[in-house]
Amino acid sequence: GESVGLHLPTLSVQEGDNSIINCAYSNSASDYFIWYKQESGKGPQFIIDIRSNMDKRQGQRVTVLLNKTVKHLSLQIAATQPGDSAVYFCAENFYNQGGKLIFGQGTELSVKP
Amino acid sequence: DTAVSQTPKYLVTQMGNDKSIKCEQNLGHDTMYWYKQDSKKFLKIMFSYNNKELIINETVPNRFSPKSPDKAHLNLHINSLELGDSAVYFCASSQTRPYEQYFGPGTRLTVT
Repeated sequence: GESVGLHLPTLSVQEGDNSIINCAYSNSASDYFIWYKQESGKGPQFIIDIRSNMDKRQGQRVTVLLNKTVKHLSLQIAATQPGDSAVYFCAENFYNQGGKLIFGQGTELSVKP
Repeated sequence: DTAVSQTPKYLVTQMGNDKSIKCEQNLGHDTMYWYKQDSKKFLKIMFSYNNKELIINETVPNRFSPKSPDKAHLNLHINSLELGDSAVYFCASSQTRPYEQYFGPGTRLTVT
């Protein structure tokens, strides 16, 4: 079926530590995944994406890993800062169904100073 | 300049009323979407329009009617509002290919 789920609803880390947010998906035919960050009172903001022909993609302080064998992806945030506190969503893009995004439940990241 | 804008940001209304939420994007994108976010932060697609043509309708009650006067605008009209319609509604836009979607700031609808 169409579902994208997260293992942990909340994550608390110390400032400066690395954060890892996990996500499982169910559709083995999916080939495009996106991570979004949503700050309080705002809309989701694109962080990084990855296509199924890649295992890893790096951005500024963020890395996304994709394991197609177990249908799992993760978002790693290096040197987490207070400004990283937000809810993080993984989303699966069904481009053959009009491009709709199927979102996971979200993980709330809290960064302690 | 705001890429995807929505009005109003807050909307408080009584059950049974009809209301509209407007969305505009200045990114030149071909596709626009409406998502609903519930109190548990779960985001779910409602509709999608590509070049003014409806391409996604995710079993949303027919009290909800999207309208796209041009490809830069996608409005959402809701008839006979119910308590369960209370949520945050997000508009988004993207290019036609599977590219990232850009979200607006959201409209918090409260039905009393």
